[in-house]
Parts: sequence; C-alpha cells; structure tokens
Amino acid sequence: SYVLTQPPSVSVAPGQTARITCGGNNIGDKSVHWYQQKPGQAPVLVVFDDSDRPSGIPERFSGSNSGNTATLTISRVEAGDEADYYCQVWDSSSEHVFGTGTKVTVL
Amino acid sequence: QITLKESGPTLVKPTQTLTLTCTFSGFSLSTSGVGVGWIRQPPGKALEWLALIYWDDDKRYSPSLKSRLTITKDTSKNQVVLTMTNMDPVDTATYYCAHRQEEGSGWPFDYWGQGTLVTVSS
Repeated sequence: SYVLTQPPSVSVAPGQTARITCGGNNIGDKSVHWYQQKPGQAPVLVVFDDSDRPSGIPERFSGSNSGNTATLTISRVEAGDEADYYCQVWDSSSEHVFGTGTKVTVL
Repeated sequence: QITLKESGPTLVKPTQTLTLTCTFSGFSLSTSGVGVGWIRQPPGKALEWLALIYWDDDKRYSPSLKSRLTITKDTSKNQVVLTMTNMDPVDTATYYCAHRQEEGSGWPFDYWGQGTLVTVSS
C-alpha cells in the first residue's frame, strides 16, 4: 500500500513561513492535494493538483511537488492558520490515500 | 452552492452493521464524472478514505476495508448510503462524506460534510 509521511508538528512565528512536507515514493509523479482542518471542523481544501488554489484560499498558501516530497508552504503565517494539515493523493493500488497529518502551531 | 450532510446513528454495538446516509444539494450524481466519497477520522487521528461512488455507479473501496463496506446511491433523492458490517470499537470515528468533481487523479475532495461521530460500544 502507498504511504504518505508528514512531520507530526511544525511551529512557526507569526509573519514567518511554514513549510509542511509530505513524503511518498515517487510522489512527484502524482497529483497532491492539501487540506486544512481546524479543531472540531471538517477539512477544507487549500491546495489541489500540487499547486492550484481553490477560489477563496489566500495566495499565502502554495504547493510544490518533486521527487519523493511534496510541500505545502504558508507564507506570512497568521494566528488563524493554526490547524492540522493533511496531504492526499490517488494511487493505483491504494486508491485515495491521506497523509499522517501535521499540526501547525503559531507561536 | 454545494452542501453535504451526514446522518445516522451516534452509537452502535460491536458486531452490528452501521448505515450512514449522505444527503447533498447543489450538484447531481447523474452528472458525468461526479463522485461522492466517505472518509473517517478516529478521535485524535488522521483521515482515512473508505469508499467512493461515481455518477455511472462505479464503486471503489479501501482495500483494507473492502470486505466490510457497501456504497450505494439514490440519484432521485440526492443521497449516498454507506454500510459497514461487523463494527468494532476501533471503528469509533467521525465519518465524513465529500464531493469529487471528476474521476481523474488530479481531482480532490473539494466539498465536505460537517461529519457525524459514531461511537462503537456495548
């Protein structure tokens, strides 16, 4: 089965840049989607197809994907960005796979 | 405006069968490419994809849970139903349904329901 590995936590000061990685075998060959989930709420799509943003998502959220690592970058971090973030891909053997999740803490 | 809402029991006993309904609006499951999926999240844990049904009745299941899952749709009622047999306390989780616009790998789950917490306990 296909596995996506994320760091359990990332801490960042307000105004700085947070980078959240998602590791998977040749993930660069796949389309990666990213979701933000705040406590007690449903996930919200913030980046899809590696680097596209849905309407309404700030430009501060961006994505990249190459080799064995995909990255979600949050620029000029705000207190409201504090949440859990999950990556997700489609794999031919495992179908839809979610990452292990990363808790972003704004210091 | 696309919305989805999950409904079903909040408490089930071990070995029982869970039936959850996703009622949606703002799109039709008869539209080419569209799908509705189920994803669950145990308390404090990560998201886990369970099943997905497409407009043409194509059904996909998590390989690890396939033997326990059945997904169906009622296009006229704008509903998708998920059944999971032989429930166990480890199945305690919030269950979400979500919309998918197309079948290709580049399409995410773009709209999600609020989720419903199901507890498995005797």
